[in-house]
Amino acid sequence: AQSVTQLGSHVSVSEGALVLLRCNYSSSVPPYLFWYVQYPNQGLQLLLKYTSAATLVKGINGFEAEFKKSETSFHLTKPSAHMRDAAEYFCAVSEGFQKLVFGTGTRLLVSP
Amino acid sequence: ETGVTQTPRHLVMGMTNKKSLKCEQHLGHNAMYWYKQSAKKPLELMFVYSLEERVENNSVPSRFSPECPNSSHLFLHLHTLQPEDSALYLCASSQDRQSYEQYFGPGTRLTVT
Repeated sequence: AQSVTQLGSHVSVSEGALVLLRCNYSSSVPPYLFWYVQYPNQGLQLLLKYTSAATLVKGINGFEAEFKKSETSFHLTKPSAHMRDAAEYFCAVSEGFQKLVFGTGTRLLVSP
Repeated sequence: ETGVTQTPRHLVMGMTNKKSLKCEQHLGHNAMYWYKQSAKKPLELMFVYSLEERVENNSVPSRFSPECPNSSHLFLHLHTLQPEDSALYLCASSQDRQSYEQYFGPGTRLTVT
């Protein structure tokens, strides 16, 4: 079965600093990978997705992620954090049509 | 109108009550989902509907009963719940069964007392 591991339940950065949220996956077939963001009191919003095209994927709000097969990783980055980026971020891997398997989430805290 | 709406946003119910959660999508999608989000746990897929037919039931207890009367509406009927059922219940939709991209509603925060 496919699975996702997100290292660090909380990540703290200062405004303007680099954001790095880690995601490692396990899959026996080429995966489709996703990052979702959840702001307080809201549902999940798709940030970006990897679907076997370019390994560097750009998403909304200045985020991007790189698929590295050799490391089974799909880490999320943003060069400069904003206060509005404070939210919870979920990595997910597809398990066939319809099924998304989610990680436990990483809460990003941004300080002034 | 936002893409996926859920009502109510908050619900407190006793263990003997019967209540229903409602989800509506305005995206013209054909597949809809119920997820349970508990603190410090991954999102748990509960049910999947495609073209109003249930295609997945992830071993969910029978005290949760889904209903999909048409492709735009999805309900989750609740009865005799337990305190451990307290969670955020999220509805999502996707274009069709072959679509990996799901759109989520804001969720219903359920507290069982």
